[in-house]
Amino acid sequence: QSALTQPASVSGSPGQSITISCTGTSSDVGSYNLVSWYQQHPGKAPKLMIYEVSKRPSGVSNRFSGSKSGNTASLTISGLQAEDEADYYCCSYAGSSTYWVFGGGTKLTVL
Amino acid sequence: EVQLVESGGGLVKPGGSLRLSCAASGFTFSSYSMNWVRQAPGKGLEWVSSISSSSSYIYYADSVKGRFTISRDNAKNSLYLQMNSLRAEDTAVYYCARAIGYCINGVCSYFDYWGQGTLVTVSS
Repeated sequence: QSALTQPASVSGSPGQSITISCTGTSSDVGSYNLVSWYQQHPGKAPKLMIYEVSKRPSGVSNRFSGSKSGNTASLTISGLQAEDEADYYCCSYAGSSTYWVFGGGTKLTVL
Repeated sequence: EVQLVESGGGLVKPGGSLRLSCAASGFTFSSYSMNWVRQAPGKGLEWVSSISSSSSYIYYADSVKGRFTISRDNAKNSLYLQMNSLRAEDTAVYYCARAIGYCINGVCSYFDYWGQGTLVTVSS
């Protein structure tokens, strides 16, 4: 069982928006603004999409955005495109004994 | 261009050992904290270990503490993971990942570049 809880799957049609939640505790997501999100296509390495809750790396589409409220972080993808179909993982710093925890991953299907 | 290339994976029997390597290029390796993250077949990501730029700070997940050893050679732009007393549950693709951002005691905000991974299979 993963430390952070994500829905196993979400889906949406091209052009729509979807949101993936990532629920932790007051020891990880709730305590630090160090939540990041990674996209992983089958057989590929993870790719950074969002860091420090809501910052977007250079080269990542502005259709991707992140936010946090309490112990839950969220990734929103607007204007869904076929190439967005992938697995998405959240990650949070969890303090100086556990360090980093990941969510179990969410499979995004673009219908 | 930042590149991270893992090697050293393979099939090993329970109780055996394996040493993974990660060759880095395209950036000043000695300036960055580095990490190992693994992914069991069909499963999610799991952070394994972290080492600061000068090897002053080293951290492990509880699941590997006492069995795995992370190290680096800045002169060779290389990261290593020595894995001993391997178990079936260590079977996974092992990724090396660069850490960056807000760093305290070698722990940095996020992982910006990842290698393609090397598969470790522990089975008799």
